[in-house]
Amino acid sequence: AQSVTQLDSQVPVFEEAPVELRCNYSSSVSVYLFWYVQYPNQGLQLLLKYLSGSTLVKGINGFEAEFNKSQTSFHLRKPSVHISDTAEYFCAVSNPSGTYKYIFGTGTRLKVLA
Amino acid sequence: EAQVTQNPRYLITVTGKKLTVTCSQNMNHEYMSWYRQDPGLGLRQIYYSMNVEVTDKGDVPEGYKVSRKEKRNFPLILESPSPNQTSLYFCASQDRGAGYEQYFGPGTRLTVT
Repeated sequence: AQSVTQLDSQVPVFEEAPVELRCNYSSSVSVYLFWYVQYPNQGLQLLLKYLSGSTLVKGINGFEAEFNKSQTSFHLRKPSVHISDTAEYFCAVSNPSGTYKYIFGTGTRLKVLA
Repeated sequence: EAQVTQNPRYLITVTGKKLTVTCSQNMNHEYMSWYRQDPGLGLRQIYYSMNVEVTDKGDVPEGYKVSRKEKRNFPLILESPSPNQTSLYFCASQDRGAGYEQYFGPGTRLTVT
């Protein structure tokens, strides 16, 4: 069975500082990995995804993530955050050879402080 | 514009009164899914559908029903709502293939008193 762990439920950070949101997964098979963002009172939208190839993935709004197979991690990073990045971030996995089922983490609430 | 729509956006109801939350997508996606979002628990899948007339249980299906009679629509039915079904509900659709992104609706906030 697959699972996703986001250890940090909340991350406060000052504007223009770097941030890393952590995601670890567990799976006995290969996975696809995703980061979604949820702005207040909105649905989720895709930030970036890893399917194969280069382990460093770049997404929208200056975010990037690195797939680390040995550590089963897919941490999300941004070198300089803005107030507008305040949102909840979800890591998710899916099985390339199985159903389309997604497993989501519990989310990390990023709060950018002025 | 490609989108997933849900109605209603907000609903307050009483225990036991049947309700339906509609979901519609205009992207011709085969795969659709319902999630509930609760604080500290993230998104949990309720039901999903691989295509018309093909549905299956997710992780938390108890107390919910779905149907997929048309490709674009995937309603969520609560036959006898209870207070523990108070939650934020999201519908999502996805193109064929596990590597494709899911497109989410705006959410339906349900309160059962």
